[in-house]
Amino acid sequence: DAKTTQPPSMDCAEGRAANLPCNHSTISGNEYVYWYRQIHSQGPQYIIHGLKNNETNEMASLIITEDRKSSTLILPHATLRDTAVYYCIVGYNNAGNMLTFGGGTRLMVKP
Amino acid sequence: SQTIHQWPATLVQPVGSPLSLECTVEGTSNPNLYWYRQAAGRGLQLLFYSVGIGQISSEVPQNLSASRPQDRQFILSSKKLLLSDSGFYLCAWKGQGAREKLFFGSGTQLSVL
Repeated sequence: DAKTTQPPSMDCAEGRAANLPCNHSTISGNEYVYWYRQIHSQGPQYIIHGLKNNETNEMASLIITEDRKSSTLILPHATLRDTAVYYCIVGYNNAGNMLTFGGGTRLMVKP
Repeated sequence: SQTIHQWPATLVQPVGSPLSLECTVEGTSNPNLYWYRQAAGRGLQLLFYSVGIGQISSEVPQNLSASRPQDRQFILSSKKLLLSDSGFYLCAWKGQGAREKLFFGSGTQLSVL
């Protein structure tokens, strides 16, 4: 599986958009980009994933560059409850494949 | 709907004692199952995964073992715990489909003293 690089921490003001970057320059053609988040002492929670096109759901938007070497997770209106560690992961989504989690980005939403 | 159960939520064990953590999944069949460990303030480390009954793959050589006696049951074990086994243990499952995602249990906080 390709590796990812994320900043270790970021701050965001409550109500503003949080833009979390992720570099995955060695991503292969059919590897997906996944985002999960983990609130302290809980299991990680799925947010969104995509292959080539930008994706949006009720939680966030995922912007993937045309060369697929980087992506950005956007939380459009961050709340205090969005404070968590955000993991960007790339991997194949076939049977038997596992997703490897790196250190993630610790997002602190401040009032 | 699918659910994943993991227990116990917290566990304090002395060094040298055995360990058994259990994880069960409901509402799906033939899931891929995973055990992760997270040391304090660190990312998740994949320990074991299983694509079927009796099929276990280990990612990291260590003091732990895993078993899958039934399709939706995944067990993490140790014969003798070490201090370094302390951490937050997470079970997860994923379906076999092309766009499946990981679903995690609520985790077990293990303290080895």
